[in-house]
Amino acid sequence: AQTVTQSQPEMSVQEAETVTLSCTYDTSESNYYLFWYKQPPSRQMILVIRQEAYKQQNATENRFSVNFQKAAKSFSLKISDSQLGDTAMYFCALNYGGSQGNLIFGKGTKLSVKP
Amino acid sequence: DTGVSQDPRHKITKRGQNVTFRCDPISEHNRLYWYRQTLGQGPEFLTYFQNEAQLEKSRLLSDRFSAERPKGSFSTLEIQRTEQGDSAMYLCASSPLLGQGVHEQYFGPGTRLTVT
Repeated sequence: AQTVTQSQPEMSVQEAETVTLSCTYDTSESNYYLFWYKQPPSRQMILVIRQEAYKQQNATENRFSVNFQKAAKSFSLKISDSQLGDTAMYFCALNYGGSQGNLIFGKGTKLSVKP
Repeated sequence: DTGVSQDPRHKITKRGQNVTFRCDPISEHNRLYWYRQTLGQGPEFLTYFQNEAQLEKSRLLSDRFSAERPKGSFSTLEIQRTEQGDSAMYLCASSPLLGQGVHEQYFGPGTRLTVT
């Protein structure tokens, strides 16, 4: 069975500092996609960053970057220069693409950015 | 393009009643997904459509749940004989289909169901 595990239920960080959220996953497939989604309080979920498993280079989107370790099945998210607006639930998710469209989510990490 | 919309945003119902939710995806998005999210959990997949065809259903989708996307545009999710365990946020998402590979799913604001 494919699973996604986020071992940090809650984290906090001071504004302008860096924080890393952890995610591990289990799959027997060789081709898949990994995502980090952000769900702000009472607002809808939005995509933060994505990583194709066949790409060795780690994805980066402005202040957000990932550390993708395929052999270890690890996919962590680093947020640099944290801002108050980064306060949200962060979900790690797995998808296989093609005809298997659904995302498999972890339980999430609640991130609080403190002024 | 106003994004994915869902209606209603909140629904309170008594146990045993039927409820129906609506999702309007981003126009021209071929794929539409339903997820359920309970407190403290990540979203769990329920079902998805490609155009009007329902391609996959989770085992979470009991016989009391039914989803339709009759013209390949909006979708409805109906829950019959609601139970307290159905209380959750029901999320809809849509994505384009531009060939093989994966495409970003855009989520709606969700419908929060409370069964009393």
